[in-house]
Amino acid sequence: SYVLTQPPSVSVAPGQTARITCGGNNIGSKSVHWYQQKPGQAPVLVVYDDSDRPSGIPERFSGSNSGNTATLTISRVEAGDEADYYCQVWDSSSDHYVVFGGGTKLTVL
Amino acid sequence: EVQLVESGGGLVQPGRSLRLSCTASGFTFGDYAMSWVRQAPGKGLEWVGFIRSKAYGGTTEYAASVKGRFTISRDDSKSIAYLQMNSLKTEDTAVYYCTRTQVLGYSYYMDVWGKGTTVTVSS
Repeated sequence: SYVLTQPPSVSVAPGQTARITCGGNNIGSKSVHWYQQKPGQAPVLVVYDDSDRPSGIPERFSGSNSGNTATLTISRVEAGDEADYYCQVWDSSSDHYVVFGGGTKLTVL
Repeated sequence: EVQLVESGGGLVQPGRSLRLSCTASGFTFGDYAMSWVRQAPGKGLEWVGFIRSKAYGGTTEYAASVKGRFTISRDDSKSIAYLQMNSLKTEDTAVYYCTRTQVLGYSYYMDVWGKGTTVTVSS
């Protein structure tokens, strides 16, 4: 089955840039979607189709995808960005058609 | 306002059944695929399965971990999606989220999530 690998944690100071990676075999050939989940809340879609933002998501959130790594970039990080972030792809060859990464805890120092 | 509200969670013994409901509002329910995603305590997100819209055949797909035990259905006239869970195991204990699912070429993603309902499987 297809596996997405995320770092368990990323730390960044306020105002700096956070980069959260999502690794997968030839992930650049797939569409990658990103979700933010704050404690006790449901996930929220923050980036879809590698780099598109849903309405209401700040421009500070951006995405890229190439080769074996997709990246969620959060510019000018704020305290309110502290959350778990999950990447997701569709893989019809997998026993889990919808595959999530293990999640990354973003800590704002 | 686009909204999804799950219901039907609770405490159930191993081997028993439970049916979750997801009531949608604020959008044309029948135009969308609907998915269920779960999250075990302290763990990450796990896709459970989804049902396509009638325009795409209304067919279903399931994760290997629940295939043969869980069934997803929909009632477009009531804007409700269901998750029938049979032969429940302790490892099915999780918060279950209902999601509106967008089709993007050969990809699917979840753009609207409910708040979730908790299922606890324990004797």
